[in-house]
Amino acid sequence: GAGVSQTPSNKVTEKGKYVELRCDPISGHTALYWYRQSLGQGPEFLIYFQGTGAADDSGLPNDRFFAVRPEGSVSTLKIQRTERGDSAVYLCASSLTSPGGLSTDTQYFGPGTRLTVL
Amino acid sequence: DAKTTQPNSMESNEEEPVHLPCNHSTISGTDYIHWYRQLPSQGPEYVIHGLTSNVNNRMASLAIAEDRKSSTLILHRATLRDAAVYYCILSKGNTPLVFGKGTRLSVIA
Repeated sequence: GAGVSQTPSNKVTEKGKYVELRCDPISGHTALYWYRQSLGQGPEFLIYFQGTGAADDSGLPNDRFFAVRPEGSVSTLKIQRTERGDSAVYLCASSLTSPGGLSTDTQYFGPGTRLTVL
Repeated sequence: DAKTTQPNSMESNEEEPVHLPCNHSTISGTDYIHWYRQLPSQGPEYVIHGLTSNVNNRMASLAIAEDRKSSTLILHRATLRDAAVYYCILSKGNTPLVFGKGTRLSVIA
């Protein structure tokens, strides 16, 4: 079946602009995660949705970052007033995890969106 | 979150077994040990996980020390396609994964 998809695959923007990154999780997966990966580093957690609600947004670096998942499926990560330091690969993952879920729930990752802020 | 320690890099010859170590001395009783890998220009992919007993699947084997303070991911016959960054992660489930820098595995033909 189809895996996690992310669009666009690449996004180049100018400092100060607004961007939206989209994630389509695997159908039926209730949990959705956003991570950010800088060059040479492992992915870093941003925000986690269980259904439509943000269960944990402690990884968002500041209030320029916001994410939504209005219908419990597709999610959009929104970055306002982009800065050069926001340049990274933004990864989305989904899993079947339900509330009180198991430690065995595997996360399935998309290919990422490479964001470059000039 | 309990931390893991892995070597920065390792090298293997093609067709030979590879043992990737991971130390997690502060692991708690409810932490599962997960391994993910990331091929170049791709998102991470699940490899294997375990709690206390050794585990085998089609991709790899996971050997867990009796005291659970360390584990080893075993690739039985490395291929060029196994060249990737391998991440050892402790997870209680239903929580975000905490990635370190992982081990970059190079496979030589």
